[in-house]
Amino acid sequence: NAGVTQTPKFQVLKTGQSMTLQCAQDMNHEYMSWYRQDPGMGLRLIHYSVGAGITDQGEVPNGYNVSRSTTEDFPLRLLSAAPSQTSVYFCASSPDRGPVDTQYFGPGTRLTVL
Amino acid sequence: GEDVEQSLFLSVREGDSSVINCTYTDSSSTYLYWYKQEPGAGLQLLTYIFSNMDMKQDQRLTVLLNKKDKHLSLRIADTQTGDSAIYFCAESSMDSSYKLIFGSGTRLLVRP
Repeated sequence: NAGVTQTPKFQVLKTGQSMTLQCAQDMNHEYMSWYRQDPGMGLRLIHYSVGAGITDQGEVPNGYNVSRSTTEDFPLRLLSAAPSQTSVYFCASSPDRGPVDTQYFGPGTRLTVL
Repeated sequence: GEDVEQSLFLSVREGDSSVINCTYTDSSSTYLYWYKQEPGAGLQLLTYIFSNMDMKQDQRLTVLLNKKDKHLSLRIADTQTGDSAIYFCAESSMDSSYKLIFGSGTRLLVRP
């Protein structure tokens, strides 16, 4: 299994541009989440999904859209990038809502918005 | 709202024990976790504790939970240079373990 994969690893955008951060997992996990990590701060939950076709907002959803058309993929869309969205983005997945000793994080996407 | 707080930095000598502390505010927290993040890498789950436990030991790691004071600690015995990393405390409720609330992280520096 490849686990949780994220692409791209690095991205530079100009203010106002749009882009999609990709996340995929091959473990048939129901639950997937997107977090952002800002310097000196812990990870904050952006959006999450409890299964295909079901998404919900986390702590900091503004400026981001998600969809979950398949179990495997959970893309994060920035419709109009802003400098405040410069951050490292982590995708995570887990098989169920219970103990998360089997929760997996992807390697992250480092995004800079100029 | 929910909040998880940690001290920012800890420096120890190789071979000593490290103790990283965390406080949380959410009384409904059911699971408390410790994650490790090495430079440029994602998060690695080290261990977690259920809120009805006081202590959990896993090889060099000991987690202590004081539920009354909402205080969690991670002790690393015989700290090695490879333990240098950022350590995050996190909490979740039972039904929402995919919605983690993280602290800001403690940077552990192990000096030779």
